Amino acid sequence: GAGVSQTPSNKVTEKGKYVELRCDPISGHTALYWYRQSLGQGPEFLIYFQGTGAADDSGLPNDRFFAVRPEGSVSTLKIQRTERGDSAVYLCASGAGRWGDGYTFGSGTRLTVV
Amino acid sequence: GENVEQHPSTLSVQEGDSAVIKCTYSDSASNYFPWYKQELGKGPQLIIDIRSNVGEKKDQRIAVTLNKTAKHFSLHITETQPEDSAVYFCAASIGAGGTSYGKLTFGQGTILTVHP
Repeated sequence: GAGVSQTPSNKVTEKGKYVELRCDPISGHTALYWYRQSLGQGPEFLIYFQGTGAADDSGLPNDRFFAVRPEGSVSTLKIQRTERGDSAVYLCASGAGRWGDGYTFGSGTRLTVV
Repeated sequence: GENVEQHPSTLSVQEGDSAVIKCTYSDSASNYFPWYKQELGKGPQLIIDIRSNVGEKKDQRIAVTLNKTAKHFSLHITETQPEDSAVYFCAASIGAGGTSYGKLTFGQGTILTVHP
């Protein structure tokens, strides 16, 4: 596609529920990143994929968070037993190179846990 | 790990004036410094970037300067327009030779308001 697509754009869920957030990167981009942005803050790194593998998941806050990219394209961020503190905008970005330069962000999924 | 500090947190200017936003970073291994503009409800959009092998880069009304010795870099916007109003983020990462990927550490953001 023309850009990075994230669905849904908004998600409201109850505390304790499971959610999945989807990212469709730009076609051909091998690098894919997930970031989390809390209100009034800069994005914080969660996980980086190069192809199908998670090259760095050091930003995932705990074992309730998990992400996959089984075919090296679409990625899903999964959050189990959601907590109110998980409320944030989850951003996905994709890039063609191995550096951070020029990678493109999607518009994000705004997750609200009530 | 890397820590990026950004100032000011808010900046208000009159149309036509210049705006300057400054960032400092902690990890001397960082070598890639992008700036992003984020409008309400949208993801960050790359507006300009600089690598550690250059000291300054310009693109029309936007310029970025880098001082590696002092570990700080700045965004300069000249002839500001109301449509420049947005949140601006600086970021830093370590490219090839270090961890060789684009994990970015972001500053806290600057809310720029340009008054007509």
